[in-house]
Amino acid sequence: AQSVAQPEDQVNVAEGNPLTVKCTYSVSGNPYLFWYVQYPNRGLQFLLKYITGDNLVKGSYGFEAEFNKSQTSFHLKKPSALVSDSALYFCAVRGPFTGGFKTIFGAGTRLFVKA
Amino acid sequence: EAGVTQFPSHSVIEKGQTVTLRCDPISGHDNLYWYRRVMGKEIKFLLHFVKESKQDESGMPNNRFLAERTGGTYSTLKVQPAELEDSGVYFCASSQDGEGTEAFFGQGTRLTVV
Repeated sequence: AQSVAQPEDQVNVAEGNPLTVKCTYSVSGNPYLFWYVQYPNRGLQFLLKYITGDNLVKGSYGFEAEFNKSQTSFHLKKPSALVSDSALYFCAVRGPFTGGFKTIFGAGTRLFVKA
Repeated sequence: EAGVTQFPSHSVIEKGQTVTLRCDPISGHDNLYWYRRVMGKEIKFLLHFVKESKQDESGMPNNRFLAERTGGTYSTLKVQPAELEDSGVYFCASSQDGEGTEAFFGQGTRLTVV
C-alpha cells in the first residue's frame, strides 16, 4: 500500500540554525513529491515539488528539499531557521495509485523555532 | 486571483444533525479534491471530482457522507447524520490538469461533533 511517513511529530530548532524535517515514502513507480505548510488558521500552502531532474529542489521562503531515490526520502531543509517558520509541515506524494490519480499525505510535523 | 474558499470555517453540531460544507475552487480548475484530517493524524483523501464527475471516491468513509459538484463549479460535502468520529478539519483543494501540478488548498472547515 502507498504511504508517506513523517517520523517526527515535532522538531525544535533555535533561530539561525539549520532545520530538517524528514519524509520517507513507500509507493510504486516514480511519484511526484510535494511539501506543504500550514500556518495557524490558514489553509495548506504549497512550498515546493519534485517532478524530475535535479535532486535538490528549491521552494518558497528559502526552503529546499532533497530527493533520494535509493532511500525513498524527500527531506525538507532550510539553512537558517526563522521564528516565522514555526508551522505544521506536510509531505505529500502524488501518483497514479489504486483507485486513480491522487495525493497522499504524511501525518505532519510541527516545527517550533525558538528565538 | 481568488484562492480556494471554504465555508464555514468552523462548525459545531450535535451528534445526529446534518452539516453541509462548501468549497469554491479556483476558477478554471477542473480538479477538485476533498480531504480530512482527524486530530493528530495524517490528511486523508476523501474524493476527487473532475468537473462534475466523481473520478475517485474511494476515500469516503461511509454512506453518511455525500459529495456533489453540480455544474462543475463549487462542491458541497454533506454529513448526515453526523457522528462524533466525524470531527476533524475538512480541506478542499483544486488543481489544473496535469499529473505534476500542485493542488491549492482552502483554509479548511473545522467540524466538531458533540
